[in-house]
Amino acid sequence: QQPVQSPQAVILREGEDAVINCSSSKALYSVHWYRQKHGEAPVFLMILLKGGEQKGHEKISASFNEKKQQSSLYLTASQLSYSGTYFCGTARTDKLIFGTGTRLQVFP
Amino acid sequence: DAMVIQNPRYQVTQFGKPVTLSCSQTLNHNVMYWYQQKSSQAPKLLFHYYDKDFNNEADTPDNFQSRRPNTSFCFLDIRSPGLGDAAMYLCATSRDPPGETGSYEQYFGPGTRLTVT
Repeated sequence: QQPVQSPQAVILREGEDAVINCSSSKALYSVHWYRQKHGEAPVFLMILLKGGEQKGHEKISASFNEKKQQSSLYLTASQLSYSGTYFCGTARTDKLIFGTGTRLQVFP
Repeated sequence: DAMVIQNPRYQVTQFGKPVTLSCSQTLNHNVMYWYQQKSSQAPKLLFHYYDKDFNNEADTPDNFQSRRPNTSFCFLDIRSPGLGDAAMYLCATSRDPPGETGSYEQYFGPGTRLTVT
């Protein structure tokens, strides 16, 4: 039931791009994305809703394919501050189910 | 600034000695969540309150209890901590549950790192 994320880990040089995928076995109402830096709490990035509406971070883009029950997060021109673990969260009526996580490391 | 506060940030307890973690929020959100997060894993939902309604996850051990005396505060009680309960405990809030629109984000507190000796 937990969404599966891929890849599990990504290593980038500053300025490079990355795509993180989130796949669910159940129908999606919406997909949330959060970033968690080491030793800190998760921080909200964005929400993707049915019908294409998005809410959240200006510099991060994402897609949501309802039919395929998938979402992808696009990180372009990565910065050092993008390092952390990214979690997708799929919404159920009363809660989020967090995905398996993708660890991203950006080096100078 | 409106925020979610957790106390203490670090808690050391002995095996079997009850411990209480606290969470407060100034966001006036209706929903408060408690998550357990172990190293390199996703946050795992323990339970949540929607206003005064308590919702327990099916796989949350009976050892874990929660109280929400008012809108602003929520407590996590671990009655008899075991070594396996050592983890980061995260409190989060949202204005309302995700619902079918899924449009309400969660705001997390800084977490309490629990060590069991």
